[in-house]
Amino acid sequence: NAGVTQTPKFQVLKTGQSMTLQCAQDMNHEYMSWYRQDPGMGLRLIHYSVGAGITDQGEVPNGYNVSRSTTEDFPLRLLSAAPSQTSVYFCASSYSNGYGANVLTFGAGSRLTVL
Amino acid sequence: GENVEQHPSTLSVQEGDSAVIKCTYSDSASNYFPWYKQELGKRPQLIIDIRSNVGEKKDQRIAVTLNKTAKHFSLHITETQPEDSAVYFCAASKGPTGGGNKLTFGTGTQLKVEL
Repeated sequence: NAGVTQTPKFQVLKTGQSMTLQCAQDMNHEYMSWYRQDPGMGLRLIHYSVGAGITDQGEVPNGYNVSRSTTEDFPLRLLSAAPSQTSVYFCASSYSNGYGANVLTFGAGSRLTVL
Repeated sequence: GENVEQHPSTLSVQEGDSAVIKCTYSDSASNYFPWYKQELGKRPQLIIDIRSNVGEKKDQRIAVTLNKTAKHFSLHITETQPEDSAVYFCAASKGPTGGGNKLTFGTGTQLKVEL
């Protein structure tokens, strides 16, 4: 049971390049989400999914796309990288126990630098 | 949307002392309040959570209190130890009807426990 696996761990991009951050979970969790972490700003939700085929925007969705074709995978795509997207990205999965329990299991994070 | 404010941003205590971190939230519909701990270079991990039908919850040296009327909740760590040094994040969510894993995080508190 690997939990939540993110790749790559580190990536350097040039402005305008595109890339995909991969996220996979093997816990059969229905919910998955992407957060970015910036100094002094906590964790901000980019996009989330409540099940295969269903995605929605979070707090800071601009410049990012997601899809959820399977329960296991939830990739995050940067369409045209900008320096403002330099950040640490965390993928997380969670399940609901019927009372809104959103116990997140985070991946190890992906540090992205956009030059 | 929900807004979570967290104070202080940094906190330094002597080993053995208590530490208190406070958060306020804006949306009265929020009903789930977790706390995550993030050690340097690691992923955030849940340490304790509380639901809106409970006023206080304890787990060994850690406790969380919730005041729904005032819309604030606090993390209390007693008998602090060097391994408690980390960044702590509070969060709030509205449960399944508000998006199963749509947590709004505070900006974090850097706790340093000095010998």
